[in-house]
Amino acid sequence: AQRVTQPEKLLSVFKGAPVELKCNYSYSGSPELFWYVQYSRQRLQLLLRHISRESIKGFTADLNKGETSFHLKKPFAQEEDSAMYYCALKSGSARQLTFGSGTQLTVLP
Amino acid sequence: NAGVTQTPKFRVLKTGQSMTLLCAQDMNHEYMYWYRQDPGMGLRLIHYSVGEGTTAKGEVPDGYNVSRLKKQNFLLGLESAAPSQTSVYFCASGGASGPYEQYFGPGTRLTVT
Repeated sequence: AQRVTQPEKLLSVFKGAPVELKCNYSYSGSPELFWYVQYSRQRLQLLLRHISRESIKGFTADLNKGETSFHLKKPFAQEEDSAMYYCALKSGSARQLTFGSGTQLTVLP
Repeated sequence: NAGVTQTPKFRVLKTGQSMTLLCAQDMNHEYMYWYRQDPGMGLRLIHYSVGEGTTAKGEVPDGYNVSRLKKQNFLLGLESAAPSQTSVYFCASGGASGPYEQYFGPGTRLTVT
């Protein structure tokens, strides 16, 4: 069965410091992974998808199949990055998502 | 476009009461989903639908029923609410093809006392 693990419930960094949010997955097929973000009082929204190999708001994430990881990184955190971040794995014929438990990121001034 | 909307935004129920949560989307998406969000557990899929008139069970379907009589609407029902169903409920929709993305509603906060 598919599983997504985010080991850190809470993560605090100072403004300007690098940040890395960890995500590990288990899946028997070819994985398709995503990062979703939920800012305070806003709805959950897609941040980035691994197949696009894009950088959104300075964030990047590389799929490492050997380590079954999809960590989210940003070299210089900003206060507006404070939010709940969810790693998600697409599975099933109905394009269902399996979510991790989330990491609450706080960027301190 | 309103995207995905949910009604109501908040609700308090007593144990044993019933209610229906409504989700509507105006993006002509084939797929719709209901999740619940609980602290430390992320989002868990309750039920989903791949098209009008179809429904299927997700990870945590017990105690819930769903219906999709119209393509744009997906209803989640609680026949006999229990305190364990206190949660934030999110509806989402997505297309059946093309770059994959699920679009989420604003959520419904339900408290069962």
